[in-house]
Amino acid sequence: AQSVAQPEDQVNVAEGNPLTVKCTYSVSGNPYLFWYVQYPNRGLQFLLKYITGDNLVKGSYGFEAEFNKSQTSFHLKKPSALVSDSALYFCAVRDSRVRGSTLGRLYFGRGTQLTVWP
Amino acid sequence: DAEITQSPRHKITETGRQVTLACHQTWNHNNMFWYRQDLGHGLRLIHYSYGVQDTNKGEVSDGYSVSRSNTEDLPLTLESAASSQTSVYFCASSESYTSGSYNEQFFGPGTRLTVL
Repeated sequence: AQSVAQPEDQVNVAEGNPLTVKCTYSVSGNPYLFWYVQYPNRGLQFLLKYITGDNLVKGSYGFEAEFNKSQTSFHLKKPSALVSDSALYFCAVRDSRVRGSTLGRLYFGRGTQLTVWP
Repeated sequence: DAEITQSPRHKITETGRQVTLACHQTWNHNNMFWYRQDLGHGLRLIHYSYGVQDTNKGEVSDGYSVSRSNTEDLPLTLESAASSQTSVYFCASSESYTSGSYNEQFFGPGTRLTVL
């Protein structure tokens, strides 16, 4: 079964400091991993994805994520947080199977509320 | 520009009424999805479709139905609305999944539904 865990409901960080939002996953086969961001009263916006290759993936707004297969983790990072980064962040894993009714389904974590204070 | 829209953005209805939420995308995507978002649960999949005339149940499909008559639209119907269905509903779409295709989902702005 596919699943994602985001162990922290909230992360608070001061502006200018590095931030990390944690994500661990469980998946059959190769994981395809995604990060999304949701600003208040908006839909989810795609940030970045890991499919294969370099374990460090760079995405939008200066975010990056590090894939660690041995720890089954895909933590989201940013070297210097901005107040405008305050939002709800979702990690998701995609079923890697190419056949069957669950093809391509995304499994989402519960989300982590990031607050960056000035 | 291509987009995905949802209507209405806000809806208040009464228990027992039938409600239909619209989702329309101009990406020409084959795959479309409906999720509900609730505090403490994150996003949960209700129904999804991989193409015209194709529909599949997600993890919380009871009390909901969808039909796909064209590529652009996937309306979500609540047959008899219940207070437990008060939630924010998101529609999403993505390109077809084939071996070697890993495309992300694009989300609509959401519909906030209140069932009294």
